[in-house]
Amino acid sequence: EVQLVQSGAEVKEPGGSLRISCKASGYTFTTYWIGWVRQMPGKGLEWMGIIYPGDSETRYSPSFQGQVAISVDKSINTAYLQWSSLKASDTAIYYCARLATMVFDYWGQGALVTVSS
Amino acid sequence: EIVLTQSPGTLSLSPGERATLSCRASQSVSSSYLAWYQQKPGQAPRLLIYGTSTRATGIPNRFSGSGSGTDFTLTINRLEPEDFAVYYCQQFGSPLLTFGGGTKVEI
Repeated sequence: EVQLVQSGAEVKEPGGSLRISCKASGYTFTTYWIGWVRQMPGKGLEWMGIIYPGDSETRYSPSFQGQVAISVDKSINTAYLQWSSLKASDTAIYYCARLATMVFDYWGQGALVTVSS
Repeated sequence: EIVLTQSPGTLSLSPGERATLSCRASQSVSSSYLAWYQQKPGQAPRLLIYGTSTRATGIPNRFSGSGSGTDFTLTINRLEPEDFAVYYCQQFGSPLLTFGGGTKVEI
């Protein structure tokens, strides 16, 4: 059974750094792209970027290029989304999802990130 | 960049009725790369339809997708209580991925 299990909710202060994770199981991790999707409070879905765990090739949405970093550790089947300097506007739920045949077929449960002083 | 515009923003219907949701693209989208997702409150999105009209595993046949070029439609026949949710379309192509703004189907 394919599963994507994300790390838990986080509360951080503005300017802080953060890395959230997404652990995959039930399939060959290195052969599917993994994507990250943002959902701000009460808003729709925004694609942030995707990474191919096999070779770490990464592609970012123009809206998020330079704002976040996506990485993987294929030894532990885990993808990461990282911020170096959080802003209040980063408050959102972040989902990881597996990309197959150009669609996100399996999703993580989501991780709520709250940035507040 | 391809922009997806979904309409209406909110659809108020009753169980048993048919829902027709529209997704319009700013440029032509390959029918192979148009998908629909359902999201219920407090849950992650779920893939419903891919390749414009192919239902994902386990999706009931009351859900159907159609369209081509810049106009795509998700139809839900005989709405069930569990179908009241927000629906998003998504395209793959330019600038890789974009989602529409969503349509809320409410009672």
